Amino acid sequence: QVQLQESGPGLVKPSETLSLTCTVSGGSISSNDWSWIRQPPGKGLEWIGFIYYNGRTTYNPSLKSRVAISVDTSKSQFSLKLTSVTAADTAIYYCARRGAFGSDSLFISWGQGNMVTVSS
Amino acid sequence: QSVLTQPPSVSGAPGQRVTISCTGSSSNVGADFDVHWYQQLPGTAPKLLIFGSSHRPSGVPDRFSGSKSGTSASLAITGLQAEDEADYYCQSYDTSLSLVVFGGGTKLTVL
Repeated sequence: QVQLQESGPGLVKPSETLSLTCTVSGGSISSNDWSWIRQPPGKGLEWIGFIYYNGRTTYNPSLKSRVAISVDTSKSQFSLKLTSVTAADTAIYYCARRGAFGSDSLFISWGQGNMVTVSS
Repeated sequence: QSVLTQPPSVSGAPGQRVTISCTGSSSNVGADFDVHWYQQLPGTAPKLLIFGSSHRPSGVPDRFSGSKSGTSASLAITGLQAEDEADYYCQSYDTSLSLVVFGGGTKLTVL
């Protein structure tokens, strides 16, 4: 059973870069697709982006100019970088394993989440 | 405003049946994209509950079922139990927005 665990700072200053890492265990990182999703406190879920097994990425158009997802297969980790953060980026950030049903994307398994607060 | 519309809350007594609707449009659910459902228990990460509009992952009780018709989908829970109290989210893809979309979530209260 694939397990995911987010790690990273819980506090980021406005205008700085948010960086999070997701460590994958119990499965191959290089033969699966991965995702980041976030949830502002008390609110709903927002998809951030995918990184596919072949390294291709797709991002939420509203975040595309500020986001980058990468993978380090040697460490079985994938990462999220979000630049120029504001208070609106305060959220629980989840990493997830992407699944497919036909050509549709879904989220098979999730990490426990990493709360990130943007504040000076 | 979420692209997929869910009722903010539903409630039911133990043993009853409740349904949660997820209404989209011709650019997502109506465009033949499937709907997937997630259960988020208090203080935990979401968990996949239904995929492909009506399929249950292994381990999900058959009390949970999903359906889709036109631009809407529904999640039904029968034999309601206290442990079902959670937030439920639907998810699909919107081809006009080129975006994975979620509903705003529905809080289920077991009375």
